Amino acid sequence: GAGVSQSPSNKVTEKGKDVELRCDPISGHTALYWYRQSLGQGLEFLIYFQGNSAPDKSGLPSDRFSAERTGGSVSTLTIQRTQQEDSAVYLCASSLAMGLAGAPYEQYFGPGTRLTVT
Amino acid sequence: AQSVTQLGSHVSVSEGALVLLRCNYSSSVPPYLFWYVQYPNQGLQLLLKYTSAATLVKGINGFEAEFKKSETSFHLTKPSAHMSDAAEYFCAVTEGNFGNEKLTFGTGTRLTIIP
Repeated sequence: GAGVSQSPSNKVTEKGKDVELRCDPISGHTALYWYRQSLGQGLEFLIYFQGNSAPDKSGLPSDRFSAERTGGSVSTLTIQRTQQEDSAVYLCASSLAMGLAGAPYEQYFGPGTRLTVT
Repeated sequence: AQSVTQLGSHVSVSEGALVLLRCNYSSSVPPYLFWYVQYPNQGLQLLLKYTSAATLVKGINGFEAEFKKSETSFHLTKPSAHMSDAAEYFCAVTEGNFGNEKLTFGTGTRLTIIP
């Protein structure tokens, strides 16, 4: 079946512009995660969605970053007034929801969006 | 708070030799541990995961890892390296907090296979 897809695969933008990154999770996966991979910081968590709600936004680096999820499916990560330090690969992952107890399900990762801010 | 340390940002082994990638974790609760592989310009693929069912975990592509609580380690091994194993490997931990299974990753180890 189809995996996690992300678009665009590459995005080059000028400093100060806004960008939107899209993630299409695997159908039926209620949990969705955004991560960022950069040379300086490695792989870091940004935000977690359960359905359309985001109970954990603790990884968003500043108020320029926001994300939403609609219909329990597609998610968009928006970065306003981009800065050069925002240059990174943004990865999206989805998984089945876990109950209150039990082992976590596997997170399936998309190929990422490489963002370059010039 | 959870964390992961990967010793050795670069590891080189000869084709056919043993692969050993090191991972140590820190967690305030019994952890769930993972190894992911990333090929160039691709996303992350799960190799294996530890979820407390068994301390020796077998994964895809001939990899396995052993959970050692006394050493807080979860090292990844493969008896015989293949050229196709060249990639970057990430160890990760989650505490599985009421459905929020956000992963904390190590800094990664780039594996090079020498023909």
